[in-house]
Amino acid sequence: EDQVTQSPEALRLQEGESSSLNCSYTVSGLRGLFWYRQDPGKGPEFLFTLYSAGEEKEKERLKATLTKKESFLHITAPKPEDSATYLCAVRTETSGSRLTFGEGTQLTVNP
Amino acid sequence: DTGVSQDPRHKITKRGQNVTFRCDPISEHNRLYWYRQTLGQGPEFLTYFQNEAQLEKSRLLSDRFSAERPKGSFSTLEIQRTEQGDSAMYLCASSLIRYEQFFGPGTRLTVL
Repeated sequence: EDQVTQSPEALRLQEGESSSLNCSYTVSGLRGLFWYRQDPGKGPEFLFTLYSAGEEKEKERLKATLTKKESFLHITAPKPEDSATYLCAVRTETSGSRLTFGEGTQLTVNP
Repeated sequence: DTGVSQDPRHKITKRGQNVTFRCDPISEHNRLYWYRQTLGQGPEFLTYFQNEAQLEKSRLLSDRFSAERPKGSFSTLEIQRTEQGDSAMYLCASSLIRYEQFFGPGTRLTVL
């Protein structure tokens, strides 16, 4: 069974204080790892897709990286508007088109 | 706006009543997905369609749940005889085959 674990559950940062969120996975045949951002009461917003170990993607203050066992979402010099829950999901050889999500990391950036 | 839309955004119902939610996907997307999300958890897969064909249903989807996508465009999710445990956010997503899934704003269901 595919498993996705995100850590930490919650993270508080000061504005400008860089950090990383972790997503570790145990799957059979990764077909894609996805990062989403979710604001309270809203649907997840797509950020990145990573397909193979060593791959990196960047968007503004966010950078996602992938190894064979985990993915990191690096946040550089965060701003209060980066506060949200960040979700990681995988698609695998056995899961077909369904995504298996982790429980998310709730990020709060204080001004 | 050309994103995924869902209606209603909020639904409050009494236990035992039936409810139906609608999802309109991004127009050129041929795959449509339903997920359920409870507080503090990630979304959980329910079912998905490719065009009008329902290709997969989660084992967690009880017989009280049914989904349709009659013309390969919008989809409906019906819950019969609602229970308090059905209270959750119901999310719809759409995609092209093998590409990223884009989510709608969700329907928040509260069962009293």
